[in-house]
Amino acid sequence: AQTVTQSQPEMSVQEAETVTLSCTYDTSESDYYLFWYKQPPSRQMILVIRQEAYKQQNATENRFSVNFQKAAKSFSLKISDSQLGDAAMYFCAYRGSNSGYALNFGKGTSLLVTP
Amino acid sequence: ETGVTQTPRHLVMGMTNKKSLKCEQHLGHNAMYWYKQSAKKPLELMFVYSLEERVENNSVPSRFSPECPNSSHLFLHLHTLQPEDSALYLCASSQEYAGIGYEQYFGPGTRLTVT
Repeated sequence: AQTVTQSQPEMSVQEAETVTLSCTYDTSESDYYLFWYKQPPSRQMILVIRQEAYKQQNATENRFSVNFQKAAKSFSLKISDSQLGDAAMYFCAYRGSNSGYALNFGKGTSLLVTP
Repeated sequence: ETGVTQTPRHLVMGMTNKKSLKCEQHLGHNAMYWYKQSAKKPLELMFVYSLEERVENNSVPSRFSPECPNSSHLFLHLHTLQPEDSALYLCASSQEYAGIGYEQYFGPGTRLTVT
């Protein structure tokens, strides 16, 4: 099974600042997607951003962007202009065509946003 | 109701009880999933249904029994659970099972406590 590693159990950022959450993965597949999901306290998990492995251009969604380094198997999430509502657990996930179509999640990073 | 709903939101049950978790998706999706979310561990995929047929069963103990009567509803029947089964159980759906880039939409989860 593919392994997804999030090495930062907790991160903290001040409002309006920028923070980067790290994610690395292990795979031998060439066709896969990477995702960042956000789980606010007591609320539903939602997709933040996704990246197709074949696309070299880094995905961007408003204040959220990724730094996808395919050779290094790294997929970090950058949150710009952090807001109080960004406080949540963030999960990095992998899904490949040869891995049974399962979403493989990392353990998550808890992001605290301070005023 | 919109999106993915789950009932009940909280459940406390004894080890000899029988209970069921219910999930309903209002998105017209063809694939539905059960995940287990335990503290300090990555989300674990339990079962996957595509067009009402089970397509994945990730070595889940038989005390968990899924049922998918139609593409909008998914149940998880529980019996003779163990305390280590206490966790947040998440239901999710996606447009298709075989598309690796499809977003999974999650429900709010059922917080299960086994006493």
